[in-house]
Amino acid sequence: GQNIDQPTEMTATEGAIVQINCTYQTSGFNGLFWYQQHAGEAPTFLSYNVLDGLEEKGRFSSFLSRSKGYSYLLLKELQMKDSASYLCALPITGGGNKLTFGTGTQLKVEL
Amino acid sequence: DAGVTQSPTHLIKTRGQQVTLRCSPKSGHDTVSWYQQALGQGPQFIFQYYEEEERQRGNFPDRFSGHQFPNYSSELNVNALLLGDSALYLCASSFPPGAANTGELFFGEGSRLTVL
Repeated sequence: GQNIDQPTEMTATEGAIVQINCTYQTSGFNGLFWYQQHAGEAPTFLSYNVLDGLEEKGRFSSFLSRSKGYSYLLLKELQMKDSASYLCALPITGGGNKLTFGTGTQLKVEL
Repeated sequence: DAGVTQSPTHLIKTRGQQVTLRCSPKSGHDTVSWYQQALGQGPQFIFQYYEEEERQRGNFPDRFSGHQFPNYSSELNVNALLLGDSALYLCASSFPPGAANTGELFFGEGSRLTVL
């Protein structure tokens, strides 16, 4: 089976940096996704990591360590609009574009 | 370029009733998946349709069924509704399974179902 763990809630200050962690267990690793979901809206794709290391994309970066079953999403220069749920997800075993999601980390950015 | 569209956006049903939710995929996509998202939880995979067939199913009972039409749009049907079926139902479209892509999903805004 697959299991994903991430913190339920985090709070950070505008302009700061926050790291959202995700640990996972899966058989047959095929990459890891991060999605952002604002309240009442659709999840939107942020990043995809399949190799170890850091992938940087503007203010957002995502890190993967396959040997440790660990990933994190790094958000820099936080803005109020970054307040959202951040979902860590794994492709479901069996191929195809289907994902198992974690419960999500609700990030609140304060002044 | 139209994204994924879903209807209705909100609906209220009573226990035992049946509901049909609809989804049109993003232009160029022919694979549609359905997810259930309970409050405070991540989306849970229900099933996926490709070439008008159900390709894989998550851990959901037979009360949940679906269909894909030749124009790639899809329906999700839920029979004998239970209180626990209250959730946001998300449709996601993507390129075909196995295509050389990252597997990125494009989600619609969802249909919020309340069962009383």
